[in-house]
Amino acid sequence: GENVEQHPSTLSVQEGDSAVIKCTYSDSASNYFPWYKQELGKRPQLIIDIRSNVGEKKDQRIAVTLNKTAKHFSLHITETQPEDSAVYFCAASKTGNQFYFGTGTSLTVIP
Amino acid sequence: GAGVSQSPSNKVTEKGKDVELRCDPISGHTALYWYRQSLGQGLEFLIYFQGNSAPDKSGLPSDRFSAERTGGSVSTLTIQRTQQEDSAVYLCASSHYNEQETQYFGPGTRLLVL
Repeated sequence: GENVEQHPSTLSVQEGDSAVIKCTYSDSASNYFPWYKQELGKRPQLIIDIRSNVGEKKDQRIAVTLNKTAKHFSLHITETQPEDSAVYFCAASKTGNQFYFGTGTSLTVIP
Repeated sequence: GAGVSQSPSNKVTEKGKDVELRCDPISGHTALYWYRQSLGQGLEFLIYFQGNSAPDKSGLPSDRFSAERTGGSVSTLTIQRTQQEDSAVYLCASSHYNEQETQYFGPGTRLLVL
């Protein structure tokens, strides 16, 4: 089955700096890669996703890159703000199958 | 409804008792997932329903755990003879089977086994 690894487990950045979270996956058939943000005590919320036919996707301060050959994908947050502080999860799936989640990255943005 | 709903939001039970957790997915979503999230941990996959297909139960940690999905909509996760290590937040998510649509999560049920 699929195995998703996520790094780092914790990340602290100064407000305004960039944050990068990386994930790797093992199943080359996986073709959908969402990222979720979970604030303390709340449900995970999708923030951005990418499909395997695309190498990069951007939405304002958030971007995701995908390298299918190396089987890794990354989340980039620029100009970080305190409200970006949360736990971020990556996931991988393929059509008609379950989602496999990374173990999460706790991001702290220091004002 | 507007989103995935779960009930109860909180459940406190005594060790050895059975509990039932309910999930109402978004209308029209054919896929439904159950996850368990222990304090400060990631999302542990439990079970996945897709339409009328046999569910993927590969994540259920023991035979004390079972789930049903009636009429392709509402799902119930049952934990029999609860143990203290079952204490966690149980999250349900649903998605539309259309070339990997996004999962939408419910608010979770926080289970505490005393």
